[in-house]
Parts: sequence; structure tokens; C-alpha cells
Amino acid sequence: NAGVTQTPKFRVLKTGQSMTLLCAQDMNHEYMYWYRQDPGMGLRLIHYSVGEGTTAKGEVPDGYNVSRLKKQNFLLGLESAAPSQTSVYFCASSYSRGVTEAFFGQGTRLTVV
Amino acid sequence: AQKITQTQPGMFVQEKEAVTLDCTYDTSDPSYGLFWYKQPSSGEMIFLIYQGSYDQQNATEGRYSLNFQKARKSANLVISASQLGDSAMYFCAMRDDKGSYIPTFGRGTSLIVHP
Repeated sequence: NAGVTQTPKFRVLKTGQSMTLLCAQDMNHEYMYWYRQDPGMGLRLIHYSVGEGTTAKGEVPDGYNVSRLKKQNFLLGLESAAPSQTSVYFCASSYSRGVTEAFFGQGTRLTVV
Repeated sequence: AQKITQTQPGMFVQEKEAVTLDCTYDTSDPSYGLFWYKQPSSGEMIFLIYQGSYDQQNATEGRYSLNFQKARKSANLVISASQLGDSAMYFCAMRDDKGSYIPTFGRGTSLIVHP
């Protein structure tokens, strides 16, 4: 099993450009998440989804949009990239209600210049 | 309000010694789970250990153990017999019903193991 797969792994954008990060999981998880990781800040939740067709805002949602059209995929979009969005982005998934661990993708390092 | 607190930005330990990484949490939900993840310099998030709020015994996984003190709301990670490969960032996390079971992370502790 692949687990959680993120694409791309690296990307450099110019300010104002748009892009979509793709997250795919093959574990039939209901819950999926997008986090960003910045030095000294830990992992902060951007958006999450508790099932196909549903999304919700997390702690730092501004400047991002998401979609969950299929259960196995969770897309993160940046409509107009800003240098403040330079970060490492992690997708994760987990089973629904219950206190099991989340499984992570390998991360996407995004630089906005 | 921060739900997970890791007060040690950086820790150093001598190879083969034990080290404790601190984590305190805040929740009013009686049912919750506590987790530790390791992030080596390569960047991936590696799940290490899990402790359920109703578990009577502290969790152990090889050289990792979780010192769970429920009344003090602490879930410290103990690494015994440190190895050079243990050098990494370590994150404490929690899932609870009050947070809709969304994993919440601390800011992490950087561990460096000296030879």
C-alpha cells in the first residue's frame, strides 16, 4: 500500500501564481487534513475534511481553498500565491471518530518568490 | 488556546543515555488519544507511540515509552539508550472529541544525540 501520497514534492512559484497540491490516500480513511509547517510553529491546520464532499476551515485557512470530490483525494489550492505561503505542506488522513493516529504524506516544500 | 504544549525547543543527550521530552495537554473530554511523531532531517512524519486516555498502563514501543500522568495532563516521551539516529524533531499530538478528533500538534522539540 502507498499510504498517503502527495504531489508535487517540491515547487517554486512566483508571487501571484496559482497551484494545486494533490493528496491521495488508499486506506479508505474518512478524515483528511492539510497542515503547514513553519520553523518554531509546529504543524498548523489549514483545512480538513470529515468525508467526501465536505470541507472545513482550520486554524490558518486564509489564502487557501480545498476540495474533496472523491473520498481518496484531498486537493489544496493556492489561488494567488504570496511569499508568506512559503512553507512545508503536509497532508494526513485518519479513521473517523476515534483516537487512532494520523498517517502523513511525505510533504511538499513550496517556495514563493 | 494552545491544547498541546512542548516547552523544550531543543534538547541534547549523550549517546546511550535516556532522555525525556515533555508534553502537556489540555482537554475536558474524557476520551482522547495522545501521540508522538518523529521528524528526521529528511522531513517525513513518523508515528512513534500512542496512549489512550483510558489505558491503565503506560504505552511502550521498543526504546520508546510514554510517561502518562493523567491528573497532571502530561504525556512525556522517554527514549532509552539514545542512538545517533534519534536526532530529529519530535512532535506531541492529541485527538479528542472536543476538537472533532482533529489532530492538534505541539511546536516540537529538537533532539540532538551526541556521540
